[in-house]
Amino acid sequence: AQSVSQHNHHVILSEAASLELGCNYSYGGTVNLFWYVQYPGQHLQLLLKYFSGDPLVKGIKGFEAEFIKSKFSFNLRKPSVQWSDTAEYFCAVRFNNAGNMLTFGGGTRLMVKP
Amino acid sequence: DGGITQSPKYLFRKEGQNVTLSCEQNLNHDAMYWYRQDPGQGLRLIYYSQIVNDFQKGDIAEGYSVSREKKESFPLTVTSAQKNPTAFYLCASRSQGQSEAFFGQGTRLTVV
Repeated sequence: AQSVSQHNHHVILSEAASLELGCNYSYGGTVNLFWYVQYPGQHLQLLLKYFSGDPLVKGIKGFEAEFIKSKFSFNLRKPSVQWSDTAEYFCAVRFNNAGNMLTFGGGTRLMVKP
Repeated sequence: DGGITQSPKYLFRKEGQNVTLSCEQNLNHDAMYWYRQDPGQGLRLIYYSQIVNDFQKGDIAEGYSVSREKKESFPLTVTSAQKNPTAFYLCASRSQGQSEAFFGQGTRLTVV
């Protein structure tokens, strides 16, 4: 079965530090890729998505992600984090051979120290 | 306003009782999903439905049941057969094709 892996379960950074969260998936076919964020007490929100075209995708709040097909990866990055970025981040993949199934990674809890 | 509504926000039930969680959307989305969120395990798919009167099991369907009689509604029943039902349950919907999923606010179920 296809799977999605997020390697970092907890990340602690100071403000202004750079962020990179890893996401890998196990499937060689066509995929749609997403990063969602869940701020404390709030519902899941879409940060960015990749369907096709330019593999470097820019999302909201200064986040970006790069799709590297050869590495089956879709890592999330932000050059300079803020305290307000404290949240849980989820990578999700829609595998083209699985219809409408949307599979999530285990999540990464980010804490940004002021 | 368009969106996904889950109710109730908090739910308490006694062990051995079935309980139904509500999910309604007015986004005219075809696909709807139920996920369970546990600390450190991310979101695990329970059931999903691509069209009315059709649904498929996800990765952890045992102990759960769903129905999709209307496009707008996708209720989830947590049965007494579910060994560890206490969790945060999230409902989502999306339109067909290349689109993202939209999530409700979630229901936190506690079984005592």
